[in-house]
Amino acid sequence: QQQVKQSPQSLIVQKGGISIINCAYENTAFDYFPWYQQFPGKGPALLIAIRPDVSEKKEGRFTISFNKSAKQFSLHIMDSQPGDSATYFCAAINTDKLIFGTGTRLQVFP
Amino acid sequence: GAVVSQHPSRVICKSGTSVKIECRSLDFQATTMFWYRQFPKQSLMLMATSNEGSKATYEQGVEKDKFLINHASLTLSTLTVTSAHPEDSSFYICSAGPIRETQYFGPGTRLLVL
Repeated sequence: QQQVKQSPQSLIVQKGGISIINCAYENTAFDYFPWYQQFPGKGPALLIAIRPDVSEKKEGRFTISFNKSAKQFSLHIMDSQPGDSATYFCAAINTDKLIFGTGTRLQVFP
Repeated sequence: GAVVSQHPSRVICKSGTSVKIECRSLDFQATTMFWYRQFPKQSLMLMATSNEGSKATYEQGVEKDKFLINHASLTLSTLTVTSAHPEDSSFYICSAGPIRETQYFGPGTRLLVL
């Protein structure tokens, strides 16, 4: 119940396209859902986050869509750029613990 | 944004030795810090929660006698890998935040045990 399932495992997108990463959870005690971006050999960096009482949040090219009834949420990267190539992790917070999804390796080709 | 530092960034040690990794919050105080382990091309796995002034809380399956955690001040937590073995080789990452929803991650420490 503490798991956060993430798909796809890898994603290849052409420059300018939309990258979509999906996550699902079971534990309704999760109350905060951040997304992290990680470059090779670096620690994750907070990208954007959402609370379950909000259906959508947009920050620049990044949008989170949240479906509370389905217990699913997704990250959309609009106008994807080669610099967006990284591994993306969805996560969920329960009390103080941050539970990570399995990660999606995104490659954006020119 | 807030900064969390880790030291060292990379360490190579012989099997059987102990290695200490430091995690510092540079511009905020953190009563709680978290330690993660990440194997290549895998997700971050929470190892333990470091609590300032009290004992760390370890996740199931993590040996507390092998991974010693000390949170001596509001800005410093240390992870000591005792009697390290090759299977302990991994990327260790800490996180801390001024509030629980905002966790800043350190740059990570690459440990290689020969």
